[in-house]
Formats: sequence, structure tokens, C-alpha cells
Amino acid sequence: GAVVSQHPSWVICKSGTSVKIECRSLDFQATTMFWYRQFPKQSLMLMATSNEGSKATYEQGVEKDKFLINHASLTLSTLTVTSAHPEDSSFYICSARDLVGYEQFFGPGTRLTVL
Amino acid sequence: QKEVEQNSGPLSVPEGAIASLNCTYSDRGSQSFFWYRQYSGKSPELIMSIYSNGDKEDGRFTAQLNKASQYVSLLIRDSQPSDSATYLCAVMDSSYKLIFGSGTRLLVRP
Repeated sequence: GAVVSQHPSWVICKSGTSVKIECRSLDFQATTMFWYRQFPKQSLMLMATSNEGSKATYEQGVEKDKFLINHASLTLSTLTVTSAHPEDSSFYICSARDLVGYEQFFGPGTRLTVL
Repeated sequence: QKEVEQNSGPLSVPEGAIASLNCTYSDRGSQSFFWYRQYSGKSPELIMSIYSNGDKEDGRFTAQLNKASQYVSLLIRDSQPSDSATYLCAVMDSSYKLIFGSGTRLLVRP
């Protein structure tokens, strides 16, 4: 149990385009989902917290107009990187916390390359 | 600023040995603690959660928590080369966010 999926697993796009990443909890309902970014050989950096049906809470320094998060249901959250630039190239990972527990389960990640 | 500290390593152990990974945290009010394993290029995978003082065992893994000393550890018995990875200690804050340590790289030598 406790499986989180992400789609796509990798994406290459041109500078200036937008990219949407989906995060789904497959076998549990997620009260809260989290979005992280990780650059090579660096630690995970929390970008934002999303709760179903409410606006996401962004960490300091993360541009909310650039990284749009929608948590439409208890099993789906999406991250849209708008007007992507090469510096947005990174490994984006979501995690989900179920309704009753404290554990967070991570998706497999999405590798974004912006040309 | 809430902090979680880990030795970056690498921690090198021979196959079959016990690997001991340590973590300290700054927020005395923390209640929930987690160990994740992250292979290079992959996302973190939950190994253990621990909420009470003492030991918690799951297969070859034992998590140990000492809230008075603000210390969490992970023991891996009978280490295998496939255990070579970065181990992340995480502490949950009051808003359910995880505060991660920078990770300890473990290398198990065949």
C-alpha cells in the first residue's frame, strides 16, 4: 500500500512553455500533498504544501505565480511550472500524507529539463 | 530555525556489518521522526517511522529514539551492497512538514 505516482516521469520542454506535473495517491486518500525540488547532489527543498480544496501554502522564496499548485481531490495534486526557464530544470518530487497517519510517501519524481 | 543534523559521510562498512546512522534535532517539542532511503537519481523511500522513546525494529532495520537527548538513530544489520544509498533523517513539525537532514551517504563494501 501507500503508493504515490507522478506523471510524467521526465519531460523536456522549450524555454517559455508551461509544464504540468501530476501527483496521485493510488491506494489512500491524501489530506495533504507536498511538492519538493531537488538539484543534483543537494537536499530536498520543500516548495509548497497543498491541502485538498484550499490554496497552496508556498515556502519563502518560491514564486506562487510561477509554480501553480492545484489540489482538486483527495488523490490528485498538480504542479504547473509556468514560463519555464533553464534554471527551472530540476527533479520535482511530490509526497502525500494520508488522512489518519503522519507518514509521508513520496512519488517517483519528475525530471524536468528546460532547453 | 528548526534544524536536523546528520553526518554527511560517507560511512563505509563491510558487507554483513552493522551500519549505524545518527541524527540530532533542535526542536525539543518534536514528536514524529522518520528515516528515508534515497538512491542516486531516485526519490526518497520511507524506511521507518518512530514516535516513542526506545527501539523499533523492522526486519534488518532498528530505529532508536531518545527525546531527552534529541537524538534519533538507524541501525542496519547484515548490511548489503544494495543498502548503499543516502539515508535521510526527517522530523515532522507542527504543520506536518518534514524537516530533513542533509543525509548520510552509506557505502557497503562487498
